[in-house]
Amino acid sequence: DAGVIQSPRHEVTEMGQEVTLRCKPISGHNSLFWYRQTMMRGLELLIYFNNNVPIDDSGMPEDRFSAKMPNASFSTLKIQPSEPRDSAVYFCASSLTGTNTEAFFGQGTRLTVV
Amino acid sequence: QKEVEQDPGPLSVPEGAIVSLNCTYSNSAFQYFMWYRQYSRKGPELLMYTYSSGNKEDGRFTAQVDKSSKYISLFIRDSQPSDSATYLCAMSEISNYQLIWGAGTKLIIKP
Repeated sequence: DAGVIQSPRHEVTEMGQEVTLRCKPISGHNSLFWYRQTMMRGLELLIYFNNNVPIDDSGMPEDRFSAKMPNASFSTLKIQPSEPRDSAVYFCASSLTGTNTEAFFGQGTRLTVV
Repeated sequence: QKEVEQDPGPLSVPEGAIVSLNCTYSNSAFQYFMWYRQYSRKGPELLMYTYSSGNKEDGRFTAQVDKSSKYISLFIRDSQPSDSATYLCAMSEISNYQLIWGAGTKLIIKP
C-alpha cells in the first residue's frame, strides 16, 4: 500500500480564495483524521470521521472550514475564504481500529495564504 | 497549564550517546502513550506505543511510563545521525480517539 496520500503537497493562494485539500486514506482503514500543524500551536485535530461519518468536528476553527468524506477512499478539507492565519501544514491520517493508537499520517499539505 | 508538556529543545547530542526524551501530563485518565517521530517536511510516524504503565523495548528504543509521576520517557541507545528528527509524545484515554499531543522535541545527533 502507498500509505495515506495527500494532494497537493504545497499550495500558495491569495487571501479570500477557496482552497481544497485532498486525502486518500489507506485502503481498509475506517477512521480518518484531519490535523493542522503550526509552530505556535503544534498538532491540532480538526475533524474525525469514522466509517465516512463525521464524529467530531469541534476542532474546526470556524465556519470557513468544512470537510467531507463521500466514500471510504476519499476526503476533502475546504477553506473558504482563506486567510493568512490559515497558513500551516495540514495532515490527513487514517487508522484501522477507530482509535488514534496506530494512526498513519500522510506527507501533509503546506498551505501558504498571502 | 497544558495537558501534556514537552520541552521543544533543540536537544543536540553526539553520535553514539544515549538520548532521553520526556513528557509530563496532568490527566490521570490517560492510558495509551505513544511516541511519534517526524522528519523535516514529513508526516509523523508511530514509533512506539504503551498501554498503561511499564516499559517497552524495540531495538534501540525503550519507552517508559510512570503513571504515579505522570511522566513518560523515550530512550534511544547508540544514537545515529538518522535519528535526528522531532519526537512527539501523544496520549489518550481508553476508547477515546482524541490524542493529546506534546509540542515535540527537536533532536539533533551530531556525527
